[in-house]
Amino acid sequence: IAGITQAPTSQILAAGRRMTLRCTQDMRHNAMYWYRQDLGLGLRLIHYSNTAGTTGKGEVPDGYSVSRANTDDFPLTLASAVPSQTSVYFCASSEGLATDTQYFGPGTRLTVL
Amino acid sequence: GQNIDQPTEMTATEGAIVQINCTYQTSGFNGLFWYQQHAGEAPTFLSYNVLDGLEEKGRFSSFLSRSKGYSYLLLKELQMKDSASYLCAVRDSNYQLIWGAGTKLIIKP
Repeated sequence: IAGITQAPTSQILAAGRRMTLRCTQDMRHNAMYWYRQDLGLGLRLIHYSNTAGTTGKGEVPDGYSVSRANTDDFPLTLASAVPSQTSVYFCASSEGLATDTQYFGPGTRLTVL
Repeated sequence: GQNIDQPTEMTATEGAIVQINCTYQTSGFNGLFWYQQHAGEAPTFLSYNVLDGLEEKGRFSSFLSRSKGYSYLLLKELQMKDSASYLCAVRDSNYQLIWGAGTKLIIKP
């Protein structure tokens, strides 16, 4: 079944630890995105990628890094987790940055203690 | 700054009609999206408007007025499964989506 997968589904992490959230899509979409969703707030863009080999900063990039080595994978890394990074993280993809619909993965629920 | 406003919560009755409003102030406009999000799940696409007017898709319709910075999502013949949050998002001049906080819709029998 075509779509986006994310791993892990949920994670509890000690503050100061490094963590990588994985995202893989099989729709051959050029653009990919990482959002965080917090209660009472809209989805906020962390980082995005127009195409393999390029990345850009979104609204809340501090404390996060991404890479886009190929079309399918777009991992998000927290170098040294802090409690304020407790959130639900969604990966999404679209055919292009400026085109049409974004499709979302199932999300990763991250708790930093 | 950029801002998307939607009501926090609405309640409606099964079988009825509900209208969820969204007003926006953004740096540029390249389309408005509505997404549905059930609790604990990912957002899923409902509708897209880039020109003024009404777009109808089954029980769901979405309206846009660019001059007023206003959109609404109209849900007809409400079903219990429509209980969810409805997210309004605007694509700005940088082609990034700016999201509202969402409207939680509660359907009562």
